[in-house]
Amino acid sequence: DAKTTQPPSMDCAEGRAANLPCNHSTISGNEYVYWYRQIHSQGPQYIIHGLKNNETNEMASLIITEDRKSSTLILPHATLRDTAVYYCIVISEDTGANSKLTFGKGITLSVRP
Amino acid sequence: SQTIHQWPATLVQPVGSPLSLECTVEGTSNPNLYWYRQAAGRGLQLLFYSVGIGQISSEVPQNLSASRPQDRQFILSSKKLLLSDSGFYLCAWRPSNTIYFGEGSWLTVV
Repeated sequence: DAKTTQPPSMDCAEGRAANLPCNHSTISGNEYVYWYRQIHSQGPQYIIHGLKNNETNEMASLIITEDRKSSTLILPHATLRDTAVYYCIVISEDTGANSKLTFGKGITLSVRP
Repeated sequence: SQTIHQWPATLVQPVGSPLSLECTVEGTSNPNLYWYRQAAGRGLQLLFYSVGIGQISSEVPQNLSASRPQDRQFILSSKKLLLSDSGFYLCAWRPSNTIYFGEGSWLTVV
């Protein structure tokens, strides 16, 4: 019962931008969009989050559509080490209201040389 | 600083034996705590979450149980392991809006 849907997989060439889509059509006004990535045999790592404005940090950029029903994570220059499963999740700012925090299956990004 | 630790990192247990995985957090009080399981090649399955001491919510019927004896301690247990309990177990916490995960524990039931 995850509130997000992502394609199962995608690939991109090393050095090119990787654009990872996520749909969250039922997102509520106080829910943030978060992205995590999981490299095999490790715990998921936080990447970035946003509410309605586009965000950028040293790892990635997050583009959220104006209606907030979808977003795109952009890795500007993908490297082989970016090969991982990427999870998009919506989280309420109210820690009590959204305690469950259910993840979907994520999208597997394969970066090819 | 805020940190999360879980252990053991790996373990191999025979069918029918008990299990105890422990998770502790530092740096904040009354965080939301979570246990997830990830079977090989699968996504993250939420097993339990806790919003306070002694408050445990179970998401799926299973052979496992969870307890929160202290504010910053979350324990995953089983009295008798099944082969299907094998997997990668992750503890997570939510000190603010962001969730942070532990290092994970690989459990192999043989």
